[in-house]
Amino acid sequence: GAVVSQHPSRVICKSGTSVKIECRSLDFQATTMFWYRQFPKQSLMLMATSNEGSKATYEQGVEKDKFLINHASLTLSTLTVTSAHPEDSSFYICSAREANTDTQYFGPGTRLTVL
Amino acid sequence: RKEVEQDPGPFNVPEGATVAFNCTYSNSASQSFFWYRQDCRKEPKLLMSVYSSGNEDGRFTAQLNRASQYISLLIRDSKLSDSATYLCVVNAGTGGFKTIFGAGTRLFVKA
Repeated sequence: GAVVSQHPSRVICKSGTSVKIECRSLDFQATTMFWYRQFPKQSLMLMATSNEGSKATYEQGVEKDKFLINHASLTLSTLTVTSAHPEDSSFYICSAREANTDTQYFGPGTRLTVL
Repeated sequence: RKEVEQDPGPFNVPEGATVAFNCTYSNSASQSFFWYRQDCRKEPKLLMSVYSSGNEDGRFTAQLNRASQYISLLIRDSKLSDSATYLCVVNAGTGGFKTIFGAGTRLFVKA
């Protein structure tokens, strides 16, 4: 299957700092990328959908000014958690969908811990 | 009603058992269907797509019933390594994709 990478895999930061997470599709072009968050023992929650070259579409309840998404190329999307707080600690997972397909491939996830 | 509903689980089965998971979806305009598995603290990995004609991949068989809006996954001859959470995933919506994940069903296969 297609490969999606995510970096960093784990980050620990102080409250108030910003954290950038990168999501790359390594062997295909992803016209659409998705960002999810998963709290322990809970299901994946879609945060936003980003299409290359356009603004991201955020799900209800997700603050667009706090979770900045950039999808500048067909292989890279970034999520920046601004002014992180302990309640933002979670497992953030991106996925990418290849053009003209329905299948999403997931990155390995980033575990964010905000102290 | 949730858009995608799955058996609550957990399922505890012995090695070699056959286990079936069910999933129902509410949007009749749903277009494509998948089963993913997620291991603890890992990302979901695609297990298989689900087609109306039914499809099989080794010990795994997936079925789709569009009339009943029902998807199933059958695992035969369960292995210890099958222990994971199984996610039913539905792509729905018109004019674009909206992917809906079920809450997942936890499977424990024991020796």
